[in-house]
Amino acid sequence: EVQLVESGGGLIQPGGSLRLSCAASGFTVSSNYMSWVRQAPGKGLEWVSVIYSGGSTYYADSVKGRFTISRDNSKNTLYLQMNSLRAEDTAVYYCAGPTNQGGAFDIWGQGTMVTVSS
Amino acid sequence: DIQMTQSPSTLSASVGDRVTITCRASQSISSWLAWYQQKPGKAPKLLIYKASSLESGVPSRFSGSGSGTEFTLTISSLQPDDFATYYCQQYNTYSQTFGQGTKVEIK
Repeated sequence: EVQLVESGGGLIQPGGSLRLSCAASGFTVSSNYMSWVRQAPGKGLEWVSVIYSGGSTYYADSVKGRFTISRDNSKNTLYLQMNSLRAEDTAVYYCAGPTNQGGAFDIWGQGTMVTVSS
Repeated sequence: DIQMTQSPSTLSASVGDRVTITCRASQSISSWLAWYQQKPGKAPKLLIYKASSLESGVPSRFSGSGSGTEFTLTISSLQPDDFATYYCQQYNTYSQTFGQGTKVEIK
């Protein structure tokens, strides 16, 4: 079965750090690009970051310099290292990507909640 | 960055209605546009990719059209399961921006 399973969310104080994981099965995370998308409570979807098959990475301006996307090909797992967290980073974080050549996000994880609060 | 603007933000409709949602890009994205459906507490689900290609398993009442900067998602006959929020997304550039969403409500 093709699936993504996220973990690592939780309650963290402002200024703290957290690392999210996204374990893939049924396909290879390095075969195409993979992204992180977040959704603040009651709000819409916001693209956060992408890593391409060749290793290039890009970030939304709102997280640039604070978040780092990476992957471990041996574990077939995607990561998001989040530093200097702010209240406005509170959201459900999804990993997502294409499993075929269509290019759109045909597979999504179940989401993991990150709450930044003192 | 490319901005994606959806309209309307909210749409009230009845079962059986034909529904159209519009998405405009701030610059040309060719046909690199997707549509997603999201229900409360769930991850988004891909409906349409490359502007007009129907994702496998998605009912044929959903269709997409457009290219360049203007796109539409049409539901030919709204069903009870279709009441949800819909998002467009451009993936022409690395910044894979989403529209703000359109909530389809029961009239």
